[in-house]
Amino acid sequence: DQQVKQNSPSLSVQEGRISILNCDYTNSMFDYFLWYKKYPAEGPTFLISISSIKDKNEDGRFTVFLNKSAKHLSLHIVPSQPGDSAVYFCAASAPNSGYALNFGKGTSLLVTP
Amino acid sequence: DSGVTQTPKHLITATGQRVTLRCSPRSGDLSVYWYQQSLDQGLQFLIQYYNGEERAKGNILERFSAQQFPDLHSELNLSSLELGDSALYFCASSHKTSGADEQYFGPGTRLTVT
Repeated sequence: DQQVKQNSPSLSVQEGRISILNCDYTNSMFDYFLWYKKYPAEGPTFLISISSIKDKNEDGRFTVFLNKSAKHLSLHIVPSQPGDSAVYFCAASAPNSGYALNFGKGTSLLVTP
Repeated sequence: DSGVTQTPKHLITATGQRVTLRCSPRSGDLSVYWYQQSLDQGLQFLIQYYNGEERAKGNILERFSAQQFPDLHSELNLSSLELGDSALYFCASSHKTSGADEQYFGPGTRLTVT
């Protein structure tokens, strides 16, 4: 069963605008959440993470928001750049499984000039 | 460059065969995780080792096994290969001895079973 869901397979945004990628989870034991960026034929690259004790974490152009009651998190990229075009994976982990990552199926982001 | 290395980059083999994939974690990282990425299942956790010992198991088939050696490199062994085992196999490493931590991924090994 898919415990982490990214319901939008793709997203297209204009350069300079905000990109918002969404992620939902079902397992209440998850307490650490991460976003990864992936290019074809490469491994996922870590972007940003958030612990369940926080509701926001910011790193440069990237901000992750966590809404625990809704079991929802989102990644905001502002401003979006063409180099941000990639597949973005949401992942979640729990202490009772060694913090192994449970991944969503990814959202393909295209930033157009 | 994440600092995690994986060899080989590509592997083509026949059904029924056995292969070994190798991973070297980032310097200082004690944890190694193995993941499989297939078209229909996405990225799925297989198994984790910490400082030579198995720590967590995911959706790993009985035909698959792994180990972590004293120098902390890890190997994933896949045997009695089937067509459905064709996938990208990633290893990742992390630093913390306990608690949550980001994982850094290698470039992956693409396995094709014919």
